[in-house]
Amino acid sequence: KAGVTQTPRYLIKTRGQQVTLSCSPISGHRSVSWYQQTPGQGLQFLFEYFSETQRNKGNFPGRFSGRQFSNSRSEMNVSTLELGDSALYLCASSLLEGQETQYFGPGTRLLVL
Amino acid sequence: AQSVTQLGSHVSVSEGALVLLRCNYSSSVPPYLFWYVQYPNQGLQLLLKYTSAATLVKGINGFEAEFKKSETSFHLTKPSAHMRDAAEYFCAVSGRRAQKLVFGQGTRLTINP
Repeated sequence: KAGVTQTPRYLIKTRGQQVTLSCSPISGHRSVSWYQQTPGQGLQFLFEYFSETQRNKGNFPGRFSGRQFSNSRSEMNVSTLELGDSALYLCASSLLEGQETQYFGPGTRLLVL
Repeated sequence: AQSVTQLGSHVSVSEGALVLLRCNYSSSVPPYLFWYVQYPNQGLQLLLKYTSAATLVKGINGFEAEFKKSETSFHLTKPSAHMRDAAEYFCAVSGRRAQKLVFGQGTRLTINP
């Protein structure tokens, strides 16, 4: 069974631009979560989606948003990029909402110049 | 609220020596506990998890961890280190019904030949 896939793997943007990252969960998994990883702040939870609904949200500004489609694929969007948004963005999927085990993708590395 | 503290941001051991990575957690509800490993330029791979069954949990690659409620600890051990174990290790906690993972700051493990 294929793992979690994320596209693109690497991205370079400039301040003020917006970016959309994509995540395809493991086949059959219906819950998708997003995390941001930076050297300074470590791994931080962004949001979780299940059945196309946001179930949980971390402490990030409104510039960070996401959505989930009927096939469980998810996208996250960051508008008005700031230098501090440079990070590795990780997507994780699990079978159901509240399932304890999350499986992570390889991440999208975003560099904001 | 939940939190995780990993003692030691860097741990260095000799090949063949015991590996001990420390993790203490704080949780207001019975926790699920996890150890993930991250190799350079990759996502997170699940090593093992505690979900209230046996307190001694065996994972992949020869790692194991013991849940000690009285000490609020979930330390990761491996009897004999191998060069391929060099990576960053993250301890994480979640509530029984919450999908959100709260991560520690990570411990970078170096293996000396």
